[in-house]
Amino acid sequence: AQSVTQLDSQVPVFEEAPVELRCNYSSSVSVYLFWYVQYPNQGLQLLLKYLSGSTLVKGINGFEAEFNKSQTSFHLRKPSVHISDTAEYFCAVSDVYAGGTSYGKLTFGQGTILTVHP
Amino acid sequence: KAGVTQTPRYLIKTRGQQVTLSCSPISGHRSVSWYQQTPGQGLQFLFEYFSETQRNKGNFPGRFSGRQFSNSRSEMNVSTLELGDSALYLCASSPGLRGAPDTQYFGPGTRLTVL
Repeated sequence: AQSVTQLDSQVPVFEEAPVELRCNYSSSVSVYLFWYVQYPNQGLQLLLKYLSGSTLVKGINGFEAEFNKSQTSFHLRKPSVHISDTAEYFCAVSDVYAGGTSYGKLTFGQGTILTVHP
Repeated sequence: KAGVTQTPRYLIKTRGQQVTLSCSPISGHRSVSWYQQTPGQGLQFLFEYFSETQRNKGNFPGRFSGRQFSNSRSEMNVSTLELGDSALYLCASSPGLRGAPDTQYFGPGTRLTVL
């Protein structure tokens, strides 16, 4: 992928409210798309992924995302957030080459810090 | 299955020294990728190893190197450390199956501080 843009660096939201974290990418080849979450002092945990097929993908903890090829977007949504969702969220893209291989490289956005207030 | 493990978790070095970080992938995974995470540059790809061969490389100077062993465990080495090398270094593993999409699973990272 040439680049990944997460449009919001910080998103504050109240508990039980819906949330959308936005992600756009640019690439000259086909891509696989991912959302990861990072809690303080931890590694990245996979939330969900789009590899092919249905453009609406569901992940862990009630998150879902929709792949929009024409708009080159992969926005993450959750209908009702909890305090425990407070974390940093990363959108990532891997280019797909001949044979479906990605050669192990993910290109990440700059991250969105989601803060859920009581 | 056990997850990706990285050792050590924390490391403090001084400028000019060298450092070696270790990563043990999930059992059965043959691909190991390394990333550097800093507040300013975010998450950046360093390199990827598959079956003991470097298959892909990011845009980092030659001071950053790595290797992979026959059991898929990987090490990365940074020589002549600079203050700017202070970062969280993340390792990720994936099956690396030919022709199949790969999903990377990350370890907890090694926090390197260069003084």
